[in-house]
Amino acid sequence: QVQLQESGPGLVKPSQTLSLTCTVSGGSISSGSYYWSWIRQPAGKGLEWIGRIYTSGSTNYNPSLKSRVTISVDTSKNQFSLKLSSVTAADTAVYYCARYFDWDDAFDIWGQGTMVTVSS
Amino acid sequence: EIVLTQSPGTLSLSPGERATLSCRASQSVSSSYLAWYQQKPGQAPRLLIYGASSRATGIPDRFSGSGSGTDFTLTISRLEPEDFAVYYCQQYGSSPLLTFGGGTKVEIK
Repeated sequence: QVQLQESGPGLVKPSQTLSLTCTVSGGSISSGSYYWSWIRQPAGKGLEWIGRIYTSGSTNYNPSLKSRVTISVDTSKNQFSLKLSSVTAADTAVYYCARYFDWDDAFDIWGQGTMVTVSS
Repeated sequence: EIVLTQSPGTLSLSPGERATLSCRASQSVSSSYLAWYQQKPGQAPRLLIYGASSRATGIPDRFSGSGSGTDFTLTISRLEPEDFAVYYCQQYGSSPLLTFGGGTKVEIK
């Protein structure tokens, strides 16, 4: 059974770069018709899609964040990563990694989420 | 940009009652690309419905989805205590490539 686990610093200073990694276990990140995504949720608010990557390295980003976001994949480690630059307090949120299944066109597996606070 | 508007914002119902949640898109969405999720406090969202009307693996048949074009509905036929949660719709296909609605909270009356 595939599982996703986010990891990374819980506190990031304003203007710095937020870096998170999602480790995929129970299956290969390279198998099947899957895109690997990042989604965030500020406290008490809704979900915002950040971007996604295919194992070929092809990426799609939310235009509202595109200038600050980089998503990469490391198939040898079965991981994919998020970098968000020039963070402000508005980037404080729970960050989820999730698997997007191309056949169902939906996020079928989610990580538990990790809280990231932007504060000095 | 496609905007998904969910209504009502909060639905107050009793266990055993029927819940009807609406998701309205600002532009037409392919039915293949409309999904619904359930989120409980402190948990990640869980996929309920994909393709507007197909239940995900393990989802009880009291959950059903319907709709097309710009109007989609999630129905919970008889609310169980574990169904009180926040529900989100999500579309794929238009910039931004993936968007979520603002959510509907189903609370115990």
